[in-house]
Amino acid sequence: SAVISQKPSRDICQRGTSLTIQCQVDSQVTMMFWYRQQPGQSLTLIATANQGSEATYESGFVIDKFPISRPNLTFSTLTVSNMSPEDSSIYLCSFSTGTGAFFGQGTRLTVV
Amino acid sequence: GNSVTQMEGPVTLSEEAFLTINCTYTATGYPSLFWYVQYPGEGLQLLLKATKADDKGSNKGFEATYRKETTSFHLEKGSVQVSDSAVYFCALSDQIGADGLTFGKGTHLIIQP
Repeated sequence: SAVISQKPSRDICQRGTSLTIQCQVDSQVTMMFWYRQQPGQSLTLIATANQGSEATYESGFVIDKFPISRPNLTFSTLTVSNMSPEDSSIYLCSFSTGTGAFFGQGTRLTVV
Repeated sequence: GNSVTQMEGPVTLSEEAFLTINCTYTATGYPSLFWYVQYPGEGLQLLLKATKADDKGSNKGFEATYRKETTSFHLEKGSVQVSDSAVYFCALSDQIGADGLTFGKGTHLIIQP
């Protein structure tokens, strides 16, 4: 099965700054997904990213706050913009096949 | 919209005990159902899945049956081991391979020797 890698694995950032998270898959995938896991909470889908088109955001998430790029079929980035302590979470990228969804190791973000 | 409800933890059991983690869902149509596991310090892994009513998913001694009549997908294992200690997430997808997942809150399972 395809391998999905994500970086950075963790970061501590100052409020008001932005962080870009990278996600690389070792084979071509049509759709990639970005999730957030807040402390003690479940995973929540942020957006779906298709190559060559704008990402589709779930309710409660907006492009200005979480811009996403998908330049090709193996790579995507998620930026967390103008961060506040409430953005402290684990962010995960994912892709799906007919057998299920596969996840990166996650980026643990702490905003201070 | 879709939702998944699973029993809250932590669930603490002795080794070799029988395990059930309840999961119920709300969805329009006929979703695919999944159990994911997150071992300490590791990423999220697919444990098992079922794509239609009455399907049984199984892996590593764990089983779950897609029950449409009760909208449930309970996870079971006949004899747990210390190595099964992890967080277990129930999830659904409207269209496997094409849609994102809706997750339950996760159940932290602790197995004591």
